[in-house]
Amino acid sequence: AQKITQTQPGMFVQEKEAVTLDCTYDTSDQSYGLFWYKQPSSGEMIFLIYQGSYDEQNATEGRYSLNFQKARKSANLVISASQLGDSAMYFCAMREGSQAGTALIFGKGTTLSVSS
Amino acid sequence: GAVVSQHPSRVICKSGTSVKIECRSLDFQATTMFWYRQFPKQSLMLMATSNEGSKATYEQGVEKDKFLINHASLTLSTLTVTSAHPEDSSFYICSAPRTDALFFGNTIYFGEGSWLTVV
Repeated sequence: AQKITQTQPGMFVQEKEAVTLDCTYDTSDQSYGLFWYKQPSSGEMIFLIYQGSYDEQNATEGRYSLNFQKARKSANLVISASQLGDSAMYFCAMREGSQAGTALIFGKGTTLSVSS
Repeated sequence: GAVVSQHPSRVICKSGTSVKIECRSLDFQATTMFWYRQFPKQSLMLMATSNEGSKATYEQGVEKDKFLINHASLTLSTLTVTSAHPEDSSFYICSAPRTDALFFGNTIYFGEGSWLTVV
């Protein structure tokens, strides 16, 4: 079974609108971390936002917020006021366990296209 | 903030030759580094975990004799693609977790990635 599921291969949004990118995860660990990354065509991985499994508040970073629903095992990324520069591939990832030195497991990604 | 540097960013090599990719943690010591491979429009797939001073741990299906990993110091891990073939053409990216961090948030840092083309 996939650990991280991103069901939207592509999403389209107009400038200034909000968009939600879906992510569900599967783990039996009580301690885990959830990450979202943006990957432009250059390939670099740009960290956007992090949510720990014990964090009670949804994480927010500027225009990015993470809608964390633990019981549903979902960690959707919300981008408010989309900009043309937001066009990129977006990956949801999970680190299982409480050890910092554990590899991230990535979803298949969602390609976001922002139009004017 | 912490930085991980990867070199080269792009490399073209002839089929049958070997190519080395370096991953350096610039301002922290990384006892562990991870190597990922990514085909166009696809996910990042973990290839191996590089451990300083010991053998790397490879994921299932990754040929250890083809993808040689060396982690000789606390700041440098190298991935050598041996006897490269066109099907090895891909984007390779490393990451290093900062295990001395005081918090458990985003303590994972990625290199810039390396585009390998085998002709």
